[in-house]
Amino acid sequence: EIVLMQSPGTLSLSPGERVTLSCRASQSISSTYLAWYQQKPGQAPRLLIYGASSRATGIPDRFSGSGSGTDFTLTISRLEPEDFAVYYCQQYSASPTWTFGQGTKVEFK
Amino acid sequence: EVQLVESGGGLVQPGGSLRLSCAASGFTFSDYWMSWVRQAPGKGLVWVANIKPNGREEYYVDSVKGRFTISRDNAKNSLYLQMSSLRVDDTAVYYCARFWSGFAYWGQGTLVTVSS
Repeated sequence: EIVLMQSPGTLSLSPGERVTLSCRASQSISSTYLAWYQQKPGQAPRLLIYGASSRATGIPDRFSGSGSGTDFTLTISRLEPEDFAVYYCQQYSASPTWTFGQGTKVEFK
Repeated sequence: EVQLVESGGGLVQPGGSLRLSCAASGFTFSDYWMSWVRQAPGKGLVWVANIKPNGREEYYVDSVKGRFTISRDNAKNSLYLQMSSLRVDDTAVYYCARFWSGFAYWGQGTLVTVSS
């Protein structure tokens, strides 16, 4: 099973700041098969990024993804108030058994 | 508009069974892999099971193998999760989700509580 480790566990930030979230895989995965999600309390997750760097439909361009092999990054160029949430990475490389990271919470400082 | 609507959650005793359903609309259901993902209270997302578009192959996370069965009825645009030998640690919100390079569509979730 491919394990995804996200860091940090929590980030305390202010609106307008740049955010970098990390997702590290226990073994190399194709960048084609890495996704990022945002989840707010009481809501289902929302797909932000697929294929490591492609934005999903309707996602603002302040969100970007990058990485390859075992190290992947989600960047929010300028934090907006609605971006305070929990973020998860997911791999679907070891198809068809898939895994999520444990999540990173972005909270108000 | 793509819609996924789960139902069937509730309170069940340890060792009991429950069947979740997910009604899909707004897309050609038989074209897509479908999945169940769960989230225990205050915890992260856990992929539970997948099923191929034709329903002939299914895959599970190790913790539910032998206890849960995913199935689908493409004629009824419906996805199911039959859960048996339920344990307290199966307590979670269960989401159905449509897969295509990630889970772009999710239902609202249905809460399953396993408690005596």
